[in-house]
Formats: sequence, structure tokens, C-alpha cells
Amino acid sequence: KQEVTQIPAALSVPEGENLVLNCSFTDSAIYNLQWFRQDPGKGLTSLLLIQSSQREQTSGRLNASLDKSSGRSTLYIAASQPGDSATYLCAVSNNQGGKLIFGQGTELSVKP
Amino acid sequence: NAGVMQNPRHLVRRRGQEARLRCSPMKGHSHVYWYRQLPEEGLKFMVYLQKENIIDESGMPKERFSAEFPKEGPSILRIQQVVRGDSAAYFCASRPALQDGNEAFFGQGTRLTVV
Repeated sequence: KQEVTQIPAALSVPEGENLVLNCSFTDSAIYNLQWFRQDPGKGLTSLLLIQSSQREQTSGRLNASLDKSSGRSTLYIAASQPGDSATYLCAVSNNQGGKLIFGQGTELSVKP
Repeated sequence: NAGVMQNPRHLVRRRGQEARLRCSPMKGHSHVYWYRQLPEEGLKFMVYLQKENIIDESGMPKERFSAEFPKEGPSILRIQQVVRGDSAAYFCASRPALQDGNEAFFGQGTRLTVV
């Protein structure tokens, strides 16, 4: 049974700092891994999708890496801003119809 | 291309009533997924549907819950005889096809409160 874990559960950093969010999964047989952002009371916004054959994806100040063999992914946020404050969710899509299995999320707070 | 549309955004029901949640996937998307986010918990898969077919309902409670995705119209998640424990945010996601590079796009969710 696939399980996804995110560490840390919460993180508070000063503005401008670079930071790393961690995601681990127990079953390496994944189709892809997706990082999302969720603002309080809102839906999920897709940030990055890494296919199973890829090692990383970049979008602006965000970089996500994937190491399938070790069951890990990291989301790197450069030069953090207060507007980055949100909960970040990692989810993997397995080979059972593409449903997503989510981690519990990391709640990020960037202080001005 | 409008995103995934869910309505209503907020729904209040008394115990024992029925709740009907609607989801219109993005244009061209034929795969719909429903997820539930309970307070202080993560998102959990409920059901996966394609047009007129339920593909995987392994995450959906066996009683009181049902889902459909008709040939025409939105996908519907129906909860009969709601109880306080059904209070949660219900999210719908869609994707065009089951390929590695296809992202899942989520709606804004329906927040159900059972009083």
C-alpha cells in the first residue's frame, strides 16, 4: 500500500531564504509525482509534475526533484516571499487508474 | 478554457438530509476523481469515474455515498442521510487521459457543513 510522508509538517522562514520541502513514498512504482499548493479555504493549484522517467522539473523559483529508487522528492523554493505562504502537498499517481495519494502537507509561513 | 468547476462552494445540510455536489471537468477531460479532505486530515481519494462508468470506488464509503458521471452534464457526488462526520471539503479533479505527463487539475472544492 502506497504511503506518502511529508517533512516537516510546518516551516516558518524569513523572507528571502531558500528552502526545501521533503516528500517520501513507500512504493517506487509510480507514474508521476505532483506538487500542489493549497491556500486556506481554497482548492489545489498544481505547481510541478514530474514524470516517472524524469529527475527534475523547474518553474520559476521552484524546482522539484525525483529519486524513484529511494522513494523521495524535494521541492526547492528559491528566494522565498510572503506570498509563498501556503500548504504544500505532494502526491503520487500509481498504476491503479491514476488516482493521487497525498501526503499530509507542509504548512509554510514566510515572514516579511 | 475554464478550469474545473465545482458547485456549490459551500453547502449546509441538516443531519439526515441529502447533499449533492457537482463537478464539471475541464473541457476535453474525460477522467474525473473525487477526494475528501476532513478537518486536520489530508486529502483522501474517494472515487474515479469516466463517462458513464465508475472505474475505482475503493475510497468511497459503502453506504450513503454514490457518484456518477453521465454522458451529458457534470459529475455528481451524492451523500444521503448526511451525518456530522460528513462535514469536510470535497474536491473534484480531472485529467484528459492516463498518461505520465497528464496533470490532475482541481476545482475549488465544496465545503459541506452538517448541522
